[in-house]
Amino acid sequence: KNQVEQSPQSLIILEGKNCTLQCNYTVSPFSNLRWYKQDTGRGPVSLTIMTFSENTKSNGRYTATLDADTKQSSLHITASQLSDSASYICVIRSGGSYIPTFGRGTSLIVHP
Amino acid sequence: DTEVTQTPKHLVMGMTNKKSLKCEQHMGHRAMYWYKQKAKKPPELMFVYSYEKLSINESVPSRFSPECPNSSLLNLHLHALQPEDSALYLCASSPAGPGDNEQFFGPGTRLTVL
Repeated sequence: KNQVEQSPQSLIILEGKNCTLQCNYTVSPFSNLRWYKQDTGRGPVSLTIMTFSENTKSNGRYTATLDADTKQSSLHITASQLSDSASYICVIRSGGSYIPTFGRGTSLIVHP
Repeated sequence: DTEVTQTPKHLVMGMTNKKSLKCEQHMGHRAMYWYKQKAKKPPELMFVYSYEKLSINESVPSRFSPECPNSSLLNLHLHALQPEDSALYLCASSPAGPGDNEQFFGPGTRLTVL
């Protein structure tokens, strides 16, 4: 069964600190992996997309990594801001399908 | 226009009411989706429309009835809902077909069933 596991489930950090969120998956065949940011009560917004051949991709203070061999991805947030408080969802798309598999998300709270 | 819009933002309805949720996009996307999301859970796929035809129904109860009047609009008709149907309902769209197509999500409709 295709699964996407995210850790930690929740995380509290102080403003200005860095953090790393993890995503492990068993989805096969793999097509791509997206990290979404979802503010409370809002729809998810795509941060990055990673394909099989990509190891690292940055979007401002967000850096995503992908190890397709171990089926692991991480999202690193640098110099966190209060506005980073949100749920971060890892979403995998399987080859040949346009129905993605969602992880449960990591809830990040940034305190001043 | 790279936005998916949803109306209303909030909806409170009784179990005997009939209401509709509306979703609209003007990006030329030919795949549109309805998701249901409970608090602190990931979105759960309900329906997929591809080229205005229903292609996936994830065993959703008949009290939820989707409709795709044209390529830009997606409706979700609600009738005789239960309190456990209270959730955030998300609409999304993407270019049709398999591949690395990003799903663009709307802001959602917060539904409360009394």
